[in-house]
Amino acid sequence: QVQLQETGPGLVKPSETLSLTCTVSGGSSSGYYWSWLRQSPGKGLEWIGYIYYTGRIMYNPSLKSRVSITIDTPKNQLSLKLTSVTAADTAVYFCARHLATATPWYFDLWGRGSRVTVSS
Amino acid sequence: VLTQSPATLSLSPGEGATLSCRASQNIITYLGWYQQKPGQAPRLLIYDASNRATGVPARFSGSGSGTDFTLTITSLEPEDFAVYYCQQRSDWPLLTFGGGTRVEI
Repeated sequence: QVQLQETGPGLVKPSETLSLTCTVSGGSSSGYYWSWLRQSPGKGLEWIGYIYYTGRIMYNPSLKSRVSITIDTPKNQLSLKLTSVTAADTAVYFCARHLATATPWYFDLWGRGSRVTVSS
Repeated sequence: VLTQSPATLSLSPGEGATLSCRASQNIITYLGWYQQKPGQAPRLLIYDASNRATGVPARFSGSGSGTDFTLTITSLEPEDFAVYYCQQRSDWPLLTFGGGTRVEI
C-alpha cells in the first residue's frame, strides 16, 4: 500500500526558507504527477505546484517566484522549498499523488500533512 | 472561482445531503469532490464530475457540467459528517478549490 510522509521543520523564521520532503513508500514515484498543497484557516486549500516524474514542473502563479519543487525518483522523494516566508505561509503542507487517468488533475493519495508555523 | 453552498448543512444520520458547487466559468466536467475530516488529509470522492474514486461507497454521487455541480449523499452514515470541497482545473495547470461545505449532525 503506497503511503506518503511529509517531513521537515515545524517552525521557520520570517524571511527564511521553508524546506519539506515527501517520501513515497510502498510504491514508486515513477509514472505519476506529484503535487504540494497547503491548507490554512485563512486561505483554505491551495495548490502550490506539481512535478512529473520526468521532471516537468508547473507552479501556482501566485507563488511561482518563491517556490521550487524537485523529485529524486530513485529515492522516491520529492521536495518543496519556499523562500522569503512570512506569517501568511503558516499552514499545513501536504504532498499528494495525482490520479493516473487521462484527466490527471485530481489528487487520489495524500500524505498526513506537515504543520509549518512561520514565526520569530 | 468555485463557490460552494451552503456553508453548513445540518442533518441527521439517514437523511440525504445535496451540496452545490458553482464555477465562475465553464469548466465542462473538470470537477472533483473531496471529503475531509478533522486532522486528516482530504480524500478524493468524485472526479470528472460524476466518476467515483476507488473504494468510495455508492451512496456518494456527483452530477453536473458547465458551471453547476452537485454532490449527493444518500442516507448519511455517521462517518459522512465532515467538510466537503470541490476542486477544478479551469486553467490547467492552475488547480483551485472551493471554500467547503461542512456537513454536521
